[in-house]
Amino acid sequence: GNSVTQMEGPVTLSEEAFLTINCTYTATGYPSLFWYVQYPGEGLQLLLKATKADDKGSNKGFEATYRKETTSFHLEKGSVQVSDSAVYFCALSEAGRRALTFGSGTRLQVQP
Amino acid sequence: DSGVTQTPKHLITATGQRVTLRCSPRSGDLSVYWYQQSLDQGLQFLIHYYNGEERAKGNILERFSAQQFPDLHSELNLSSLELGDSALYFCASSVEGEKLFFGSGTQLSVL
Repeated sequence: GNSVTQMEGPVTLSEEAFLTINCTYTATGYPSLFWYVQYPGEGLQLLLKATKADDKGSNKGFEATYRKETTSFHLEKGSVQVSDSAVYFCALSEAGRRALTFGSGTRLQVQP
Repeated sequence: DSGVTQTPKHLITATGQRVTLRCSPRSGDLSVYWYQQSLDQGLQFLIHYYNGEERAKGNILERFSAQQFPDLHSELNLSSLELGDSALYFCASSVEGEKLFFGSGTQLSVL
């Protein structure tokens, strides 16, 4: 079956530091890949997505590239802010299946 | 604001009881998904409805059931509750494609 593996958190960074959150996946087909973010007390929000190999999703300074050869979709940001503190979820959706399979989430804490 | 409304926000009940969680999707969205978020299991897909019909089932227990009504709102029914059912239950909706819009969740505490 499908699965998503994320690095364990929490990840604690100082403001303006570089962020990488690792995500790898297992899927039988050619899935679409997503990053969702959950701020405290809120539901998940789509951050970015990529639908095929070598696609790069980007939004709000965050980027992730769909790497089929390494089955990865790592999230990066060049300079994090305190307001980026949240839980980040990597997810996949296989063609024809609308339901998303989520990773366990990685909590990011950015200190001023 | 995602446009997805879940009620109630918090629910405290006892073991053995039955509860109903309600979800109103975004206007125009035909798909409703239910997810359970707990510390030990992470975010687990429970069930998907599309325009009133069940489309997919995930890790949903037999004690749980859901339905989507003609006005497209959905209800998740949890019965014979156990301590382990304590979790945050999310509803999400979409019109098509894979972008889901999540509600803010219902926090269920079973005592």
